[in-house]
Amino acid sequence: QVQLQESGPGLVKPSETLSLTCTVSGDSLSNYCWSWIRQPAGKALEWIGRIYVNKRTDYNPSLKSRVTMSADTSKNQFSLKVNSVTAADTAVYYCARGFWSGYNWFDPWGQGTLVTVSS
Amino acid sequence: QSVLTQPPSVSAAPGQKVTISCSGSNSNIGKNLVSWYQQLPGTAPKLLIYDSNKRPSGIPDRFSGSRSGTSATLGITGLQTGDEADYYCVSWDSTLIAVLFGGGTKLTVL
Repeated sequence: QVQLQESGPGLVKPSETLSLTCTVSGDSLSNYCWSWIRQPAGKALEWIGRIYVNKRTDYNPSLKSRVTMSADTSKNQFSLKVNSVTAADTAVYYCARGFWSGYNWFDPWGQGTLVTVSS
Repeated sequence: QSVLTQPPSVSAAPGQKVTISCSGSNSNIGKNLVSWYQQLPGTAPKLLIYDSNKRPSGIPDRFSGSRSGTSATLGITGLQTGDEADYYCVSWDSTLIAVLFGGGTKLTVL
C-alpha cells in the first residue's frame, strides 16, 4: 500500500522560503510522477506543480516564478520550495501521486500539513 | 475564480439522488479526462472517479461520473449522511499546461 507523508516547518515568516518534503513508502518514487497541491482554509484546492521521475517539472503558471520542486530517489522523497511567501501562501499543503498522461488523477494523497505564514 | 465551474452547494434528502456539475472549456474538459474527489471535513481528498467515469476499487457504485462536451457530472444515488462533504472536479488544461481544480461543491444531506 502506497503512503505519502508531508513534513516541514509549520510556521514561515513573510518573504522567506517555505520548504516541504514528501516521503513515499510502499512504492518507488522512480516509477511515477508526483504533485504538490494546496488548500487555503475554507477555499478550493490548487495544483502547485509536478515532478517526473526524470526530474522534469511542470508548475502552475500562477506560481511558477516562486516554486521549485526536486526529488531524491535514494531517499524516496520529493520536495517543494516556495520563495518570497506572503500570508496568501498560508494553506494546508498536500503531496500526491499523479498527474500524467494515462494517469490523469491524484491517488493516493498525503494527510496534508498546515503551513502558516506569519511574523 | 476557478476555470472549472461547480455549484457552490447542493442538497438532498437521505436516499435521494444528487448530481454535481463541472463546467469547463475546449482546452480542458472538452479534450481531457476528468477526475472527482470527495473531501470529508478535516481530511485529505479521496479519489472517487477517474477517467471521467471509472471507479477505483472500494468506491461504491452509488457514485458515477460522466463527461459530455465541455462539462462533466458526478452523480450520487442513495444519499447517506456520511456523504456530506466537499466534492471537486479536476482536469488537465492543454492551453494553460496545468492541472485545474473546480471551485468545489458542498453537499448537504438534509
